[in-house]
Amino acid sequence: EADIYQTPRYLVIGTGKKITLECSQTMGHDKMYWYQQDPGMELHLIHYSYGVNSTEKGDLSSESTVSRIRTEHFPLTLESARPSHTSQYLCASRAHYRGGKYEQYFGPGTRLTVT
Amino acid sequence: LAKTTQPISMDSYEGQEVNITCSHNNIATNDYITWYQQFPSQGPRFIIQGYKTKVTNEVASLFIPADRKSSTLSLPRVSLSDTAVYYCLVVEAAGNKLTFGGGTRVLVKP
Repeated sequence: EADIYQTPRYLVIGTGKKITLECSQTMGHDKMYWYQQDPGMELHLIHYSYGVNSTEKGDLSSESTVSRIRTEHFPLTLESARPSHTSQYLCASRAHYRGGKYEQYFGPGTRLTVT
Repeated sequence: LAKTTQPISMDSYEGQEVNITCSHNNIATNDYITWYQQFPSQGPRFIIQGYKTKVTNEVASLFIPADRKSSTLSLPRVSLSDTAVYYCLVVEAAGNKLTFGGGTRVLVKP
């Protein structure tokens, strides 16, 4: 069972609000990721981090920002939410190479609706 | 990062074997091949990984030819609960980025 958590699971907010989606993992993984996925569509990598104080943008341009101050915590922030941000946000983590596996673990996701 | 190409969708029936082939023509020497399964409204779940030849676990088998330019995920005797999207990913051994492609939507019919 993966020890990676996301809160909130569901969020409905109005346009213009600032929000932070939380992601935490207790596995000591160096690498963490944020993906955005619309229903029935593919996952798009929006941010990733390979360690504390490292953050990189992914393949999909996103107006969100991330931070990595602690190994276990990788929050994603939207300064001003818009309806176009409505989507599911999935957080993931993986060890560099542990137990011979390049396995990435996913959290349960946050389904965001911006009205 | 090696780009992957896999079929958009496949239909099968309960009890049949499902084989999904993924192309990764520009795979590098140190890259590994991994496969994930995703159910609706959930995050993907790791199924299997391989470097070359054949790997088998309790869920699936992975066949990788000598040139490693493709791989085939084999799901034996599928059931309705195997209906999901299956993703092939090539992982750089020392890399940080992990990008998913379009995946293959497998529908298992009764």
